[in-house]
Amino acid sequence: EAGVAQSPRYKIIEKRQSVAFWCNPISGHATLYWYQQILGQGPKLLIQFQNNGVVDDSQLPKDRFSAERLKGVDSTLKIQPAKLEDSAVYLCASSRVNTEAFFGQGTRLTVV
Amino acid sequence: GENVEQHPSTLSVQEGDSAVIKCTYSDSASNYFPWYKQELGKRPQLIIDIRSNVGEKKDQRIAVTLNKTAKHFSLHITETQPEDSAVYFCAASSGTYKYIFGTGTRLKVLA
Repeated sequence: EAGVAQSPRYKIIEKRQSVAFWCNPISGHATLYWYQQILGQGPKLLIQFQNNGVVDDSQLPKDRFSAERLKGVDSTLKIQPAKLEDSAVYLCASSRVNTEAFFGQGTRLTVV
Repeated sequence: GENVEQHPSTLSVQEGDSAVIKCTYSDSASNYFPWYKQELGKRPQLIIDIRSNVGEKKDQRIAVTLNKTAKHFSLHITETQPEDSAVYFCAASSGTYKYIFGTGTRLKVLA
């Protein structure tokens, strides 16, 4: 079974620039998550999709972050404009209904 | 809102000793409790999980216990080895299938 694919692996941008991350979940997984993991902390849920509908985006900073899930499969997470405090690893995960979540390798974002 | 507290934040044990990490959750609707291991620079990977209809589950040197009344669950690692050194995260998930993670425990196994 292929894993969760994410790209890019690393990204360095200047503050106020925009950036986008891409995620391809495991085939057949209806649930897709985006997490933000700041160094030394646990993953923080930003947004959760069930198929192509949003289940929870209560912790997504909607003034600068946006996410979509195309046709219930791939997903993109965008930050515009980026702030220094957005520096983190952005993890995508997918799962079947209420079972193990499989994580991608993550995208390490550095905002300078 | 939902919250998962995890203790301790760091734990050092001698090789061969046992390690215990504890978590407390706030959402009484939580019914699935996975534990993830994250090595430096790598993705979190599931090591064991437990559902709310079970009190204990064991897989070789790893075990998880759940006390629904107290909303506590714990990870037990016996006969620790250097390769067990990593950051461990607990999580709780409810009917909305939303995973809330603890803040992590950095385990160091000293040879």
